[in-house]
Amino acid sequence: GAGVSQSPRYKVAKRGQDVALRCDPISGHVSLFWYQQALGQGPEFLTYFQNEAQLDKSGLPSDRFFAERPEGSVSTLKIQRTQQEDSAVYLCASSAYRGEWDEQYFGPGTRLTVT
Amino acid sequence: TQLLEQSPQFLSIQEGENLTVYCNSSSVFSSLQWYRQEPGEGPVLLVTVVTGGEVKKLKRLTFQFGDARKDSSLHITAAQPGDTGLYLCAAAGGSEKLVFGKGTKLTVNP
Repeated sequence: GAGVSQSPRYKVAKRGQDVALRCDPISGHVSLFWYQQALGQGPEFLTYFQNEAQLDKSGLPSDRFFAERPEGSVSTLKIQRTQQEDSAVYLCASSAYRGEWDEQYFGPGTRLTVT
Repeated sequence: TQLLEQSPQFLSIQEGENLTVYCNSSSVFSSLQWYRQEPGEGPVLLVTVVTGGEVKKLKRLTFQFGDARKDSSLHITAAQPGDTGLYLCAAAGGSEKLVFGKGTKLTVNP
């Protein structure tokens, strides 16, 4: 595709519900990242995949957060038993993996509101 | 964990004015990136600086990397309403992940 796409763009969940957020990276990109951006803040790293391998999940805030990329392309971020503090924009990014500071291309994000 | 401090946090100026945004840290970086983010969109990369003392220009935007590679600045000349957005600096945080500053929210009024 032309860029990174995310769906849904907006999600409203009641506290305690489970949600699944989808990311379609740029075709052929090896690396995929998830970031969480609270209102008025910069993005914060959640987790990182290289192909289907989850190499770093140090940013996941609790065991309610789970991410997968089973075939090395599309990724899903799942949040179980959502809490109000989970309200944020969830950004996905992908890169071609050519070095430490390779450009990451971001999707538009999914805005999650937990009521 | 390396921390990137951005200042100012908010900036509201009139069209035609100049401005500078700062990104500082106590850590040394191998490279630093600047992004611009518009409402409802993801961050878009503006520039990557790698060498201490490096200066890069992108039309009316000038980016500088400090000699010690601990700080960076973004200067905009003759700001325009289209420059409005959230400006973020970011550095590699290991395993390819990026560590971002909190951002500077710039509003340019016509």
